Amino acid sequence: AQSVAQPEDQVNVAEGNPLTVKCTYSVSGNPYLFWYVQYPNRGLQFLLKYITGDNLVKGSYGFEAEFNKSQTSFHLKKPSALVSDSALYFCAVRVAYGGATNKLIFGTGTLLAVQP
Amino acid sequence: GAGVSQSPSNKVTEKGKDVELRCDPISGHTALYWYRQSLGQGLEFLIYFQGNSAPDKSGLPSDRFSAERTGGSVSTLTIQRTQQEDSAVYLCASSLDASGGRGYTFGSGTRLTVV
Repeated sequence: AQSVAQPEDQVNVAEGNPLTVKCTYSVSGNPYLFWYVQYPNRGLQFLLKYITGDNLVKGSYGFEAEFNKSQTSFHLKKPSALVSDSALYFCAVRVAYGGATNKLIFGTGTLLAVQP
Repeated sequence: GAGVSQSPSNKVTEKGKDVELRCDPISGHTALYWYRQSLGQGLEFLIYFQGNSAPDKSGLPSDRFSAERTGGSVSTLTIQRTQQEDSAVYLCASSLDASGGRGYTFGSGTRLTVV
């Protein structure tokens, strides 16, 4: 079955420290991978995506993610966390079926809490 | 428009009533998706529209749920005989084409509360 896993319900980090939010996936073929962020009572905001090319992808607000094919992972990282980064983060993978349909499958989300 | 627009932003309805949720995708986006986010849960795929192709309805939880997309643009998600377990945030997204390679843009959602 095609799926996305975010093993941590919550990640706590002190402001200024590096952060990592983990994501692993299981999908047939070449994956399209995405990270989205959701602030309270808001919709999902796009952070970054991996389609092809360099394994290290840079996105919005200083976030980056590294695609690791052998480990089937796409962890989200930031060198120095800000209190304003505190939000719910979702990893997603595009599932395609012969071009006839495609949809995003989401992980269950990881709540990032950055302490001042 | 500049983004994906959803209306209403909030809807409170009585159990057993029908509700309609509207999504206005980005102009020119051929693919449109509906997702449901229940309290403390991830995002559950409901339905996908691509151009004039038959929609992928594989995520609809019951026959009380239906959706249509008129003229390849605006979409309406209808829930008949609402139940309390239907309470959730309903999110709509659109993408430029079927590949999704240009990314997906989400609306702010409709928060549905069934009392």
